[in-house]
Amino acid sequence: GENVEQHPSTLSVQEGDSAVIKCTYSDSASNYFPWYKQELGKRPQLIIDIRSNVGEKKDQRIAVTLNKTAKHFSLHITETQPEDSAVYFCAATTAGNMLTFGGGTRLMVKP
Amino acid sequence: DTAVSQTPKYLVTQMGNDKSIKCEQNLGHDTMYWYKQDSKKFLKIMFSYNNKELIINETVPNRFSPKSPDKAHLNLHINSLELGDSAVYFCASSPRDRGLYTEAFFGQGTRLTVV
Repeated sequence: GENVEQHPSTLSVQEGDSAVIKCTYSDSASNYFPWYKQELGKRPQLIIDIRSNVGEKKDQRIAVTLNKTAKHFSLHITETQPEDSAVYFCAATTAGNMLTFGGGTRLMVKP
Repeated sequence: DTAVSQTPKYLVTQMGNDKSIKCEQNLGHDTMYWYKQDSKKFLKIMFSYNNKELIINETVPNRFSPKSPDKAHLNLHINSLELGDSAVYFCASSPRDRGLYTEAFFGQGTRLTVV
């Protein structure tokens, strides 16, 4: 089955700095890669996603890049703000749109 | 409100009991799921279900079973609860767009505590 590795597990940045979270996946058939943000005690919510036919996607301060050959994808957050503090999960799809999640990254943005 | 809703939000029960968690979505989505989030925050797929196909994560014990009375509901039944079943369980649903899978929308979660 699919295996998704995510790094780092914790990330602390100063407000205004950039944050980068990286993921690798094992199943070359995976074709959909969403990123979810989960605040404490809340449900995971999609922040950005990318399909395998696209190399990069951007939405305001958030961008995702995908390297299909190397089977890795990354989340980039620029100009971080304290409200960006949360746990971020990458994921990759397998059969039946079953999302296999990475282990999560706890992002802390210090004011 | 259009949403994925699950009940109860909290569930405390004794080892050996059988319990159910209900999930409903009124988004008209084709596919529903159950995920388990353990104390270390790892999110793991348990089941994927649409009206034609049930896909089971092979690591899920057969004490867990999904039951879907209709397209909008996917309930989770757990038999003979064990301490290790304590976790937050999330229901989710997603549509298909021209045959492609898209965003999964999550319910608010059910915190199950087995004592």
